[in-house]
Amino acid sequence: DVKVTQSSRYLVKRTGEKVFLECVQDMDHENMFWYRQDPGLGLRLIYFSYDVKMKEKGDIPEGYSVSREKKERFSLILESASTNQTSMYLCASKSGGQGNQPQHFGDGTRLSIL
Amino acid sequence: GNSVTQMEGPVTLSEEAFLTINCTYTATGYPSLFWYVQYPGEGLQLLLKATKADDKGSNKGFEATYRKETTSFHLEKGSVQVSDSAVYFCALSLYNFNKFYFGSGTKLNVKP
Repeated sequence: DVKVTQSSRYLVKRTGEKVFLECVQDMDHENMFWYRQDPGLGLRLIYFSYDVKMKEKGDIPEGYSVSREKKERFSLILESASTNQTSMYLCASKSGGQGNQPQHFGDGTRLSIL
Repeated sequence: GNSVTQMEGPVTLSEEAFLTINCTYTATGYPSLFWYVQYPGEGLQLLLKATKADDKGSNKGFEATYRKETTSFHLEKGSVQVSDSAVYFCALSLYNFNKFYFGSGTKLNVKP
């Protein structure tokens, strides 16, 4: 089974801090994704990566950056955290370039910015 | 463009009732279709998928049939249990693309 592991289930940070969310997958997947999930807004794509050191903006990249130095690890960075970034963050991975393969999700990180 | 529309929730049912959650889609090509389930405090888990027209995906008593003529992928289960209480997401993905398009999710509450 595919395992996608997010480093923290719950995280509390302060406004202005630089925040790192880490995600690791164990299936040698080429593609990795970061989403945020908010009540009434569903899942929104922040960034995704289709290879090491490669990234593409999703629908809401403002205020975020990402890093993919190794194939198995994809990091989401909040450069200067703000209260409107309080949310549930979900990481996912997916094999290949074919659309018929599913995305596999981690358990999420619930981030609170005070 | 590409999009997925799900019925608004929450849906509240008694145990052993029949479940239908509607999902329709708009796509610029020939999509693969997925249902995911999210239990409280967890991430999304793949429930089932279908990759071409008339395919039926099934898992854990849930079924959905890819209907190209009605652009639909409705989720059904004959007899729900309390443990099925969760949020269900319909999603599509296009061939040669990695991006998924998710519906807004439908919360299901099953009462004993």
